[in-house]
Amino acid sequence: NAGVTQTPKFQVLKTGQSMTLQCAQDMNHEYMSWYRQDPGMGLRLIHYSVGAGITDQGEVPNGYNVSRSTTEDFPLRLLSAAPSQTSVYFCASSYSMPSGPYNEQFFGPGTRLTVL
Amino acid sequence: RKEVEQDPGPFNVPEGATVAFNCTYSNSASQSFFWYRQDCRKEPKLLMSVYSSGNEDGRFTAQLNRASQYISLLIRDSKLSDSATYLCVVRNTDKLIFGTGTRLQVFP
Repeated sequence: NAGVTQTPKFQVLKTGQSMTLQCAQDMNHEYMSWYRQDPGMGLRLIHYSVGAGITDQGEVPNGYNVSRSTTEDFPLRLLSAAPSQTSVYFCASSYSMPSGPYNEQFFGPGTRLTVL
Repeated sequence: RKEVEQDPGPFNVPEGATVAFNCTYSNSASQSFFWYRQDCRKEPKLLMSVYSSGNEDGRFTAQLNRASQYISLLIRDSKLSDSATYLCVVRNTDKLIFGTGTRLQVFP
C-alpha cells in the first residue's frame, strides 16, 4: 500500500512550457485534490474531484487543468507555466468529501516546481 | 483578513515544556476543525480532529471555542520529535481551509 504518490519530486520549467504533475493513490479513495503551498499563504486548493469523471475548481484554478479518468489517478496540467506558479504542489485524497465522515486527507510527498 | 489565522512563530521551547498554539477563524458557519502536522519539506499529516467538548490524545489536547471562533492545541512534556509546523484547518461546507501554520522548535 503505497498511499499517495506524486511524480516528479522536483521540476524546473521555463516560462511558457507545459507539463503534467502526476498523482496516484491505491486506497480506493473517491475524493482527490490538488493544493499549492507558498510561504505565508498556507495550502490553497487548486482543483478537486469527487470521483472518476467529476472535477471542479478550487480557490486558485487559473492556469491549471485536471482530469479524473480513473479512481486512482488525478494528474494536474500546467498549460503555460509562469513564474507565479513556482510553488510546492501537494496532491491529497480521502475516502469521502470533506463534509463526509471519513475526511482525513492523505497527502502525497509533494512536487517542488520552479518556473524561470 | 485571512479565513484562518495563526501566529507563525517560531516557538522555541526546551524539552519537557508545555506549549500552546492558538488559531482563529472568520467564518462562524465553519463545521469541522483539525490540527495537521507538517515536518520540514514533508507533506502535512492529520494530528487530531477538534471537538466542541475538547479532546485529548496522549500529550496533545485540542480545544474549540465556537463563540470566540478560536481553536487551540496544547502540547505537554514536549519532545524533540515534536519540532514541526502545526497547521490549523477549518472545514467550510466542502472545502478545507488551511492556516499558514505555527512553527515549533523543541531544543534539548
